[in-house]
Formats: sequence, structure tokens, C-alpha cells
Amino acid sequence: AQSVAQPEDQVNVAEGNPLTVKCTYSVSGNPYLFWYVQYPNRGLQFLLKYITGDNLVKGSYGFEAEFNKSQTSFHLKKPSALVSDSALYFCAVPNQGGKLIFGQGTELSVKP
Amino acid sequence: DTGVSQDPRHKITKRGQNVTFRCDPISEHNRLYWYRQTLGQGPEFLTYFQNEAQLEKSRLLSDRFSAERPKGSFSTLEIQRTEQGDSAMYLCASSLLSGGRADTQYFGPGTRLTVL
Repeated sequence: AQSVAQPEDQVNVAEGNPLTVKCTYSVSGNPYLFWYVQYPNRGLQFLLKYITGDNLVKGSYGFEAEFNKSQTSFHLKKPSALVSDSALYFCAVPNQGGKLIFGQGTELSVKP
Repeated sequence: DTGVSQDPRHKITKRGQNVTFRCDPISEHNRLYWYRQTLGQGPEFLTYFQNEAQLEKSRLLSDRFSAERPKGSFSTLEIQRTEQGDSAMYLCASSLLSGGRADTQYFGPGTRLTVL
């Protein structure tokens, strides 16, 4: 069965510092991996996805993610964090029919 | 592209009442998904449609839950005889079937249900 894990419930960074939100995966077959962001009392917004090819995927709002097959990881990164990046971040993997299996989420807090 | 919309955004009801939620997907999208999200958790899959056909239902979807997508456009999710455990955010997402599992799902703002 497809699954993802987000080992950190919360990540705290100072504004202007680089940020990393971690995700590891367990899939059978080709891995397709997604990152979504959720602001308070809102739906999920798509950030980026890995399908195949380049291991560094660039997405919305300056975010990028690095696919690492040997470590079965797909960590989300941003070179310089903004206070407005504070939100809940979800890693996800699609199962049969495209239905998404989500991680537990990581709350990112960026302090000025 | 107006995005996925959901109505209502918030619903407060008493235990035992029936509620119905509506989702309008992005107009050309042929797949529509329903998820449920409780506080502090990631969304969990409930059911999905391809056009008007309901292709899969999760075990989470008890017989009190029913979903429809008449004519392959908007969808409704009805919960009968609500229970306090039904309190959650109900999220709708849509996608255009092209690459299969790699298709991007776009989410609506959600309907927050509170059962008193």
C-alpha cells in the first residue's frame, strides 16, 4: 500500500532562513508525490508534484522539493522563509483511482 | 477558471439531523473527490466520481453517507442522522483525467460541519 510519513509535527524557522519540511514515502511502482499547503480554515492549495525526471521540482511561491530515491524522501524546501509561509503542509501520494493518501501534516511557523 | 467551490462553508446542526453539502468542480474536470479532515489530521479519502459514475467508496463512508454527481457536474454529499463524530471539515477536489495517478487535484475551501 502507498503511504507517506511526515516525521515532524512542527517546524520553526526565523524569517529569511532556509526551511525544510520532511516527507518520506513507501510506494509500489513509480512514485508520484505531491505537496499541498493549508492555511487556517481553508482548503488545500497545490504546491508541486514529482512525476519523473529531474529530482529537483520547482513549485509555487518559491518552494521546491528534492526527490531522493535511495532515501525514499521528498523534502520540501525554500531558500528564504517568509512569515506568510506559516501554514500546515501536507505530503501526499496517489493510490488507485488517483485518490490521495496524505501524511499527518507539518505545521510550519516562521517568526520575524 | 473559477476554481472549486463548496457550499455552505460552515454548517452547525443538531445530532440526528440530516445535512447536505454541495461541490462545484472546475468546469472541465471529469473526476471529483470527497475527503474528510479532522483537527490535526491529514485529509482522508471518502469517495470519488468519474463523470457521473461513483467509482469507489471508502470504508469510512458508512451507510448514513451518500454522494451523487448527477450529469457529471456538481456533486452533493448527504449525511443522514448526524452524529457528533461526523464533525469535521469536508473537502472536495477535482481533476482532469489525463495522466492517471499523477493528475493534480484542486481543492475547494471546504465545508466545516459541527454537530452539537
